[in-house]
Amino acid sequence: DAEITQSPRHKITETGRQVTLACHQTWNHNNMFWYRQDLGHGLRLIHYSYGVQDTNKGEVSDGYSVSRSNTEDLPLTLESAASSQTSVYFCASSETSGRVREQFFGPGTRLTVL
Amino acid sequence: AQSVTQLGSHVSVSEGALVLLRCNYSSSVPPYLFWYVQYPNQGLQLLLKYTTGATLVKGINGFEAEFKKSETSFHLTKPSAHMSDAAEYFCAVSGSARQLTFGSGTQLTVLP
Repeated sequence: DAEITQSPRHKITETGRQVTLACHQTWNHNNMFWYRQDLGHGLRLIHYSYGVQDTNKGEVSDGYSVSRSNTEDLPLTLESAASSQTSVYFCASSETSGRVREQFFGPGTRLTVL
Repeated sequence: AQSVTQLGSHVSVSEGALVLLRCNYSSSVPPYLFWYVQYPNQGLQLLLKYTTGATLVKGINGFEAEFKKSETSFHLTKPSAHMSDAAEYFCAVSGSARQLTFGSGTQLTVLP
């Protein structure tokens, strides 16, 4: 079955370190998204991609970057981790065809920045 | 631009009672609307979606939602709550872009 996976599931890092969170999907979806989930804020969009070599900033992109070198993967990098980036991160993907853009979510990565 | 407001960050119901989770949206184009459920330590799972056509949408686990354009609402209901329904529920709207805008979520507690 097609799926979307994230790794690691849990990560503890220190302020100032670079961190990369992996996202891999086997749906063959062109659209991929990164969200962060914080209490009281729901899910907020960090970055998104509509295809290989395409990346776009979302609502809360400062301090984050992504790259899309193939259809399956969209890694999220925190250039210099800050305590404000302690959060749960979700990756999602969706089809391009049609307008019904249901997104499929990964299990999440819980990141703690000390 | 789109936005979603979920009224009530926490809702408690007794087992067997009606579940009603409220969602209001704003959208400059005809919206597509979604309800997702999140169980503890898991990702989001689609409950149901409204695209076009019938305004009463049935989803998984006995949930349904009704799209009311005049009220800009898409409330989620279930006639009889079960303990396994305890989770966080998110309403989301998609406008002309391929993105979803999520509400801040409603935590549902089911009391025995």
